[in-house]
Amino acid sequence: GAVVSQHPSWVICKSGTSVKIECRSLDFQATTMFWYRQFPKQSLMLMATSNEGSKATYEQGVEKDKFLINHASLTLSTLTVTSAHPEDSSFYICSARDQRGAGANVLTFGAGSRLTVL
Amino acid sequence: QKEVEQDPGPLSVPEGAIVSLNCTYSNSAFQYFMWYRQYSRKGPELLMYTYSSGNKEDGRFTAQVDKSSKYISLFIRDSQPSDSATYLCAMITGGGNKLTFGTGTQLKVEL
Repeated sequence: GAVVSQHPSWVICKSGTSVKIECRSLDFQATTMFWYRQFPKQSLMLMATSNEGSKATYEQGVEKDKFLINHASLTLSTLTVTSAHPEDSSFYICSARDQRGAGANVLTFGAGSRLTVL
Repeated sequence: QKEVEQDPGPLSVPEGAIVSLNCTYSNSAFQYFMWYRQYSRKGPELLMYTYSSGNKEDGRFTAQVDKSSKYISLFIRDSQPSDSATYLCAMITGGGNKLTFGTGTQLKVEL
């Protein structure tokens, strides 16, 4: 089945620094990837849709200059949290859709990246 | 009103019990329905995927979709402590690009 790899799984950084999170589709190509944020005991909140070769589409209320998304290839999307602050501490999860076969509407998720900003 | 409603729980059951998890939704255009399981500090993993109304069974798991009532269910038979997790329902329209998630139900199966 489709596999999505996310790295790093956890990161601690100082306030004001930038952090990059990578999301890779390992055995399929993904023209579109999705970035979610999840607070403790809450559901997934879609932040943005990452489009290969073009600009990401951000959800309402998500700062595009704060959360930079780059989808440079068909298997890699990156999320950079710029000038991170403690309120950016959260669980970030990427996902992608393997459009081969009958499960084209199914999202496969990465394992998530827990960001803690001190 | 949210597009997808799901009781957040927590739901606590004894080992071996039958668990029923449910979601209701308001958008009649949803056609594909999924259940994801999420363990603490992990990404969600797909459990069940169904199209339109009907039942689908996979081992101890059964997914039901009733489009006329806009109601979907996930049943877990012979529940195990390893089933303790948060269960998220998700759905998407036929031509849609984004999944809409429920808030998730936290399940605890106790020995």
